[in-house]
Amino acid sequence: DAGVIQSPRHEVTEMGQEVTLRCKPISGHDYLFWYRQTMMRGLELLIYFNNNVPIDDSGMPEDRFSAKMPNASFSTLKIQPSEPRDSAVYFCASSERGNEKLFFGSGTQLSVL
Amino acid sequence: GQSLEQPSEVTAVEGAIVQINCTYQTSGFYGLSWYQQHDGGAPTFLSYNALDGLEETGRFSSFLSRSDSYGYLLLQELQMKDSASYFCAVTSGSARQLTFGSGTQLTVLP
Repeated sequence: DAGVIQSPRHEVTEMGQEVTLRCKPISGHDYLFWYRQTMMRGLELLIYFNNNVPIDDSGMPEDRFSAKMPNASFSTLKIQPSEPRDSAVYFCASSERGNEKLFFGSGTQLSVL
Repeated sequence: GQSLEQPSEVTAVEGAIVQINCTYQTSGFYGLSWYQQHDGGAPTFLSYNALDGLEETGRFSSFLSRSDSYGYLLLQELQMKDSASYFCAVTSGSARQLTFGSGTQLTVLP
């Protein structure tokens, strides 16, 4: 298996623009997670899905952030409008057994200017 | 909410043994995990402890004491490639949320 695949690897955009991050989980994994990592706040859970259904979105910062999982092999995280404070590495992860063992993608380095 | 404490930095020499401690405060605890992250890379899973005791996987071992809300990661026969950040994480709450600590930067010296 190719592992969790995220795109793009790097994204540079201007404040106010819409940003869409994409994730393909490992085939057969029923759980999908979106995390954000910054120096100041560390690794923060934004949202996670089980069988394509959002289970916990309490970490989504505000209404500017939205996440979807239309099917078992694809998820998106959208920021609209983006702000400089959204600059971070965004990781997608998937697992078979909930929160016991997560497999992370390579991440998307987002820079909002 | 959840809180985790681990040292910010640890330094050791090649071949040595190092222990990284993690204490946590949370409600509805399910388990303690450890992840490794090299600079510029993604976190990778090392271990998960749901029950008290020591789990060994090669050079790495992880320990959990639920009554003390404490765990540690033990790295033996340190190698240069072990230089990385190590995160403890707790699974807790009704949503079984995984919350990460702030990480311990391990530097292995020759």
